[in-house]
Amino acid sequence: DAGVIQSTRHEVTEMGQEVTLRCKPISGHDYLFWYRQTMMRGLELLIYFNNNVPIDDSGMPEDRFSAKMPNASFSTLKIQPSEPRDSAVYFCASSLRGSYGYTFGSGTRLTVV
Amino acid sequence: AQSVTQLGSHVSVSEGALVLLRCNYSSSVPPYLFWYVQYPNQGLQLLLKYTTGATLVKGINGFEAEFKKSETSFHLTKPSAHMSDAAEYFCAVTFPISSGSARQLTFGSGTQLTVLP
Repeated sequence: DAGVIQSTRHEVTEMGQEVTLRCKPISGHDYLFWYRQTMMRGLELLIYFNNNVPIDDSGMPEDRFSAKMPNASFSTLKIQPSEPRDSAVYFCASSLRGSYGYTFGSGTRLTVV
Repeated sequence: AQSVTQLGSHVSVSEGALVLLRCNYSSSVPPYLFWYVQYPNQGLQLLLKYTTGATLVKGINGFEAEFKKSETSFHLTKPSAHMSDAAEYFCAVTFPISSGSARQLTFGSGTQLTVLP
């Protein structure tokens, strides 16, 4: 099992640019979660999907953030336009219904300069 | 609403000493509780979880935790610390819904464990 894959470990972009973070969940998992981690705010849930459908996006900070899950094996988190305060580590996690335990990816460290 | 409080953002212990990381929760219904560990520049890894049944839960790497409803606590312990245990530890809570579906976890603010030689 390859685990949850976030292939980009570090992403650097300029303020105002669009940035897209990508995630491949564990095959067969039907829940996918996007978290953001910062020193100031800790781990924050941004959005989660069940069977590719967004269930709760109340944690998405602004309209500049959007997330999609076009199929069971892929999800994206897009920030447009990006701002320096978006700099954080973004984690993707997936879970199998009823397992009550997430498997996290290794995260993407986003730096907006 | 559910929440988790981790007492002590930084804990230092000597190698071989007892590790005790504190977690208290607030939940209006019986909770499901978790401990995760995060090593530098890595994602979070599940150490152990309590859902139902035995209140003393054993996890990986020699860690265990005990669910104490009367104290609303789920403290993490390890009898003897190793240098490799140095990491950040997160307590998390969720609660079951009737369908058995997964729900989002609410994480505590984390405790950084330092192990001194």
